Amino acid sequence: GESVGLHLPTLSVQEGDNSIINCAYSNSASDYFIWYKQESGKGPQFIIDIRSNMDKRQGQRVTVLLNKTVKHLSLQIAATQPGDSAVYFCAEKSNNNDMRFGAGTRLTVKP
Amino acid sequence: DTAVSQTPKYLVTQMGNDKSIKCEQNLGHDTMYWYKQDSKKFLKIMFSYNNKELIINETVPNRFSPKSPDKAHLNLHINSLELGDSAVYFCASSQDPGTETQYFGPGTRLLVL
Repeated sequence: GESVGLHLPTLSVQEGDNSIINCAYSNSASDYFIWYKQESGKGPQFIIDIRSNMDKRQGQRVTVLLNKTVKHLSLQIAATQPGDSAVYFCAEKSNNNDMRFGAGTRLTVKP
Repeated sequence: DTAVSQTPKYLVTQMGNDKSIKCEQNLGHDTMYWYKQDSKKFLKIMFSYNNKELIINETVPNRFSPKSPDKAHLNLHINSLELGDSAVYFCASSQDPGTETQYFGPGTRLLVL
């Protein structure tokens, strides 16, 4: 079946380093992608999004890259801080408005 | 001000009981959702609802039913609770069904004993 998945379930980085969280998707009809951040004990929080007609989008310290050829999505966090420690989810929306979430990657930032 | 709120935050109950979780959003959004997050952090949509349409994920047991007294509220009723219902349940809202960005509540941690 079609699914949203992650290459790495956990990622540990040193404070100040850059982080890259990856996501693979298999639904070629998906036209919109979102990254969410979920801190411990809280609900998911929107970080950044990208549409399928783009391959890169930048926010504050975050960049999302979309490679439609290999159906790959990544979230890059620059100068990772302790406050970035959380579980990160990618989500995809297909043209029938069905939003599906990936399994999540836990990012741990070491001081 | 809390945009999307849920009560209770924690819910511990016995198998076979009936319980409800309440959700309120003060964002003026038209569409609300319920998600279930299991112990492995996997988020799965259960329902999406606006004043025109209820969309049910076909994998959700009919023991689960959403009820919306008004546009700002979407409550989740669960009958005959089972051990496998233990999870964190998140309510979310968006401007309309076609708006992708969803705002999530803090979650309700349900434990069925």
